[in-house]
Amino acid sequence: GAVVSQHPSRVICKSGTSVKIECRSLDFQATTMFWYRQFPKQSLMLMATSNEGSKATYEQGVEKDKFLINHASLTLSTLTVTSAHPEDSSFYICSASLLLAGGYEQYFGPGTRLTVT
Amino acid sequence: GQNIDQPTEMTATEGAIVQINCTYQTSGFNGLFWYQQHAGEAPTFLSYNVLDGLEEKGRFSSFLSRSKGYSYLLLKELQMKDSASYLCAVRDSNNAGNMLTFGGGTRLMVKP
Repeated sequence: GAVVSQHPSRVICKSGTSVKIECRSLDFQATTMFWYRQFPKQSLMLMATSNEGSKATYEQGVEKDKFLINHASLTLSTLTVTSAHPEDSSFYICSASLLLAGGYEQYFGPGTRLTVT
Repeated sequence: GQNIDQPTEMTATEGAIVQINCTYQTSGFNGLFWYQQHAGEAPTFLSYNVLDGLEEKGRFSSFLSRSKGYSYLLLKELQMKDSASYLCAVRDSNNAGNMLTFGGGTRLMVKP
């Protein structure tokens, strides 16, 4: 089946630094990838839709200058949390769209747990 | 936009059957998904309904009624490992990029 990887799986950084999270589709090409954030005991909240070769579409309330998204190839999208603060500590999950016979399906990466101290 | 509602928590006994309901409101319904998510892990796909009726897959079944904006996930012969959050998600044809909107999730606790 389709596999999506994320790196790193866990990261701890100091307040004010930047962190880059990679999302890769390992055995398929994904023109569209999605970035979600999930706080403890809450559901997934879509942050942005990342399209290869174009600017990402951000959801309302998500600062595009703080959460930089680059979808440079059909298998890689990166999310950079700039000037991270403790309130940015969360579980970040990406997903990639794959066109199947019945339509597009989303496959999730394993997630990245970010802790900002 | 969409409005997706599901119970916050449910408790059931090992070996029993549990039904998790999900109601939604959307302008351009184009499929409903159920995902299972264990704590600290990413969601895993369980089922997909786009037409009315019941989809059965082993111990898990999912039902959809588009006219009522209603779906349920049925788990049979519950096992302890079924303790997890169950996420209902709706795809809206009006959303670009095949985006899914997730409900708040239902935390299921299976007790011996």
